[in-house]
Amino acid sequence: EADIYQTPRYLVIGTGKKITLECSQTMGHDKMYWYQQDPGMELHLIHYSYGVNSTEKGDLSSESTVSRIRTEHFPLTLESARPSHTSQYLCASSEFWKGNTEAFFGQGTRLTVV
Amino acid sequence: AQKITQTQPGMFVQEKEAVTLDCTYDTSDPSYGLFWYKQPSSGEMIFLIYQGSYDQQNATEGRYSLNFQKARKSANLVISASQLGDSAMYFCAMRADTGKLIFGQGTTLQVKP
Repeated sequence: EADIYQTPRYLVIGTGKKITLECSQTMGHDKMYWYQQDPGMELHLIHYSYGVNSTEKGDLSSESTVSRIRTEHFPLTLESARPSHTSQYLCASSEFWKGNTEAFFGQGTRLTVV
Repeated sequence: AQKITQTQPGMFVQEKEAVTLDCTYDTSDPSYGLFWYKQPSSGEMIFLIYQGSYDQQNATEGRYSLNFQKARKSANLVISASQLGDSAMYFCAMRADTGKLIFGQGTTLQVKP
């Protein structure tokens, strides 16, 4: 059973609002990831982190920002939400590049910006 | 640069038959890992199987096996004895030395009764 949690599961918010999507894991994993996924489409890597105080941009350009102040916590923030940000956001974690360690995923946050 | 390609947007298979989902990859790193995940309509990501670039044998996990052809840079997933519950979207993923975990476009599998 994966111990990685995302809140909220669903969020409907108005344009221009600031939002933070929470992601926490209790497995002590160094690597954490954020993906953006539209329904029925591929997962796009938007941010990842090697560990505390490390954040990197992924392959898909995103207006969101992330922080990694604690190992277990990797929040994603949108300063001013727009309808184009409507999507599902998936958080994942894994041990730092160690053989066959798979990434564990949270349940996702479905964001709708109206 | 890393790249994962899944060329089958959708597949159908009859219940109890086997099905192969294609995945090709590209990386210049000699050390990498290949993964398959299942995503049901509920949206969660379920890990299925892993293959390391130095593994000599193809990985197997129950009804799932990975047909790893290193020279051709392919890592196809084979599902034997398909079940109705196998209907889902399937993603191939790769993690190379940079640690980035990237995914292919996905294949939607529908199992017919």
